Amino acid sequence: DIQVTQSPSSLSASIGDRVTITCRASQGIAGSLAWYQQQPGKAPKLLLFAASRLESGVPSRFSGSGSGTGYTLTISSLQPEDFATYYCQQYYSNPNTFGQGTKLEIK
Amino acid sequence: QVQLVESGGGLVKPGGSLRLSCAASGFTFSDHYMSWIRQAPGKGLEWVSFTSSSGTYTKYADSVKGRFTISRDNDKSSLYLQMDSLGADDTAVYYCARDKSAVTAYDYWGQGTLVTVSS
Repeated sequence: DIQVTQSPSSLSASIGDRVTITCRASQGIAGSLAWYQQQPGKAPKLLLFAASRLESGVPSRFSGSGSGTGYTLTISSLQPEDFATYYCQQYYSNPNTFGQGTKLEIK
Repeated sequence: QVQLVESGGGLVKPGGSLRLSCAASGFTFSDHYMSWIRQAPGKGLEWVSFTSSSGTYTKYADSVKGRFTISRDNDKSSLYLQMDSLGADDTAVYYCARDKSAVTAYDYWGQGTLVTVSS
């Protein structure tokens, strides 16, 4: 199975900050990576797929990049509704695997 | 609009069984792979199983293989998960999710149904 490691596991930031979350796969996944946002008590919401493609309706302050084994999610200017937990997921090979999550909190 | 509504969760004793359902609407159900993903309390996301659009191809996580069975009824736009020999480690919120395309990202999720395995 491909292991996916996210960092950091938690992050404190302020409104307007730029933040970056990293996801590293145990082997190359050829851009087959998605990012999700989960608010407490809610289902995850797809933000990006294919590493850098923004899902319809997702604000452009979210962006993704990376290749091979290393990927990043960047939020360019944090808004109040962005404080949540973020997960990456590789779908290069079965079983699909998720990172352990990054909890983004208000500083 | 796309909607996925799970049902069937609840409290079950260790060794017991439960069948989850997911009613889909707002899209052509038979065009999409569908998956079950679970989240134990306070933990991360774990893929459980997927079924191809026709239902002929299925796969399972090792943690549930031989105990869980995924199925679908395209005429009823419904997805199912039969869970047998349940253990405490199966306690989780179970989400059904639509694959954006075959075995890729999940673009729509249900609200989840809680399964609690406890004596």
